[in-house]
Amino acid sequence: GENVEQHPSTLSVQEGDSAVIKCTYSDSASNYFPWYKQELGKGPQLIIDIRSNVGEKKDQRIAVTLNKTAKHFSLHITETQPEDSAVYFCAASTAGGADGLTFGKGTHLIIQP
Amino acid sequence: DTEVTQTPKHLVMGMTNKKSLKCEQHMGHRAMYWYKQKAKKPPELMFVYSYEKLSINESVPSRFSPECPNSSLLNLHLHALQPEDSALYLCASSQDPDSPLHFGNGTRLTVT
Repeated sequence: GENVEQHPSTLSVQEGDSAVIKCTYSDSASNYFPWYKQELGKGPQLIIDIRSNVGEKKDQRIAVTLNKTAKHFSLHITETQPEDSAVYFCAASTAGGADGLTFGKGTHLIIQP
Repeated sequence: DTEVTQTPKHLVMGMTNKKSLKCEQHMGHRAMYWYKQKAKKPPELMFVYSYEKLSINESVPSRFSPECPNSSLLNLHLHALQPEDSALYLCASSQDPDSPLHFGNGTRLTVT
């Protein structure tokens, strides 16, 4: 089955700086890669996703890049703000989630004021 | 606020109790999911309903029993749980099996 590795487990950055979280996956058949943000006491919230026919996608301060050859994808957050503090999960699946998402172990992002 | 609604938000039950978790969405989504999340861990898939039919059962113990009465509702029936079943139970839905998943805020379950 699919295995998703995520690094780092904890990331502390100064407010206004950029944050980068990296994931690798094992199954070359995976073609869908979402990123979720989970705040304390809440469920995961989809913040951005990318499919394997695209190399990069951007939405305001958030961007995701995908390297299919190397089987890795990354989340980039620019101009970080205190409200970006949360746990971020990457995930991978085939068929857009019908077989279930395989999640990475999560990154606790801390924005230092 | 999420458009996937889960009730109750918190549940405490004994090992001999029978209880049910409920999930509702009115986005017209045709796929619904149950995930289990332990503290400081990622969500783990339990069940997938696609067009109201159970399509994946990830070898979850029989003390967890899913039910999908219609395309908007998803239940998880609980019976004879163990303390290690204490976790956050998350419901999610997607427009179809190829679309992104949207999660509810979960039910925090404690088994005593």
